[in-house]
Amino acid sequence: GENVEQHPSTLSVQEGDSAVIKCTYSDSASNYFPWYKQELGKRPQLIIDIRSNVGEKKDQRIAVTLNKTAKHFSLHITETQPEDSAVYFCAASSTNAGKSTFGDGTTLTVKP
Amino acid sequence: DTGVSQDPRHKITKRGQNVTFRCDPISEHNRLYWYRQTLGQGPEFLTYFQNEAQLEKSRLLSDRFSAERPKGSFSTLEIQRTEQGDSAMYLCASSLKLAGGGETQYFGPGTRLLVL
Repeated sequence: GENVEQHPSTLSVQEGDSAVIKCTYSDSASNYFPWYKQELGKRPQLIIDIRSNVGEKKDQRIAVTLNKTAKHFSLHITETQPEDSAVYFCAASSTNAGKSTFGDGTTLTVKP
Repeated sequence: DTGVSQDPRHKITKRGQNVTFRCDPISEHNRLYWYRQTLGQGPEFLTYFQNEAQLEKSRLLSDRFSAERPKGSFSTLEIQRTEQGDSAMYLCASSLKLAGGGETQYFGPGTRLLVL
């Protein structure tokens, strides 16, 4: 089955700096890669996703890149703000598998 | 509220008791997923339905766990003879599966289970 590894497990940045979170996956059939933000005690919320026919996608301060050959994808947050502090999860799924396999999360702390 | 809802939000039970959780997906969504999340971990897949058909169950899911989606709308997850190791957040998610692509899953607020 699919295995997703996520690094780092914790990340602390100064407000205004950039943050990068990286994930690797094992199943070459995976073709959909969402990123979720989960604040303490709340549900995971989708913040951005990318499909395997695209190498990069951007939405304001958030971008995701995908390298299919190397089987890794990354989340980039620029101009970080204290409200970006949360746990971020990457996930991978394939058209046929349906289910998503999640990484173990990255706790991002943005210091004002 | 047109999002995914779950009931109850919190459940405390004694070891050996049975518990049942309910999930109401977004109305037009045909897929419904159950995940379990423990502190410091990502959601772990348990099972999923497409309409009323249960398409996959995790090999990690013991036979004490059963899920149903009888009319292809809401779903229930039952845990029989609960154990302390069952304590976790149980998350439900729904999605609209269309041909040819991975679909976005929208999560409910979860049911936090504590087994004493």
